[in-house]
Amino acid sequence: DAGVIQSPRHEVTEMGQEVTLRCKPISGHNSLFWYRQTMMRGLELLIYFNNNVPIDDSGMPEDRFSAKMPNASFSTLKIQPSEPRDSAVYFCASSWGSEEKLLFGSGTQLSVL
Amino acid sequence: GESVGLHLPTLSVQEGDNSIINCAYSNSASDYFIWYKQESGKGPQFIIDIRSNMDKRQGQRVTVLLNKTVKHLSLQIAATQPGDSAVYFCAENRRSGGGADGLTFGKGTHLIIQP
Repeated sequence: DAGVIQSPRHEVTEMGQEVTLRCKPISGHNSLFWYRQTMMRGLELLIYFNNNVPIDDSGMPEDRFSAKMPNASFSTLKIQPSEPRDSAVYFCASSWGSEEKLLFGSGTQLSVL
Repeated sequence: GESVGLHLPTLSVQEGDNSIINCAYSNSASDYFIWYKQESGKGPQFIIDIRSNMDKRQGQRVTVLLNKTVKHLSLQIAATQPGDSAVYFCAENRRSGGGADGLTFGKGTHLIIQP
């Protein structure tokens, strides 16, 4: 199994631009999570999906952030418009059923200039 | 403040020595705890987990100890190697009944292995 796959690994963009982060969960996993990691706040849960349905998006910072999961093997996290304070590492993770162990992707390092 | 936190942000140990990374949690109802290792430029990697009905669990060179009385969790790494240098996170699951959505992560301890 290739694990959770995220793309791109690095993204550098200018303030105001739209950013789209992508994630492919582990095959067979039915829960998908988006996290943001910063030095100041550590790992923060942004949103999670179960069976492709968003369950809890209370961690999404503001309306500029949106996430979709059109099928069991793909999810996107979009920031529009991006701001410098969005600079962080964004991780996608997946799990199966009631399993509490999350498996993480390698992350996307986002820099908004 | 941080309810799942680490006592020391940085821990430096000599190669070959044992290391102990500590974590405090605040929710006495948490019934599942997990340790992750994060190397530079990579995502968190699962190390070991433990349920609240256990006090100790061992893996390969790692041991997790849970003290529910004082709400304390520790990760012991035996005979540390250069590859153990990383940031280590503890997490607790505050939501009973399973599912990873209740995981809350600490900010991490940076373990440095000195040659």
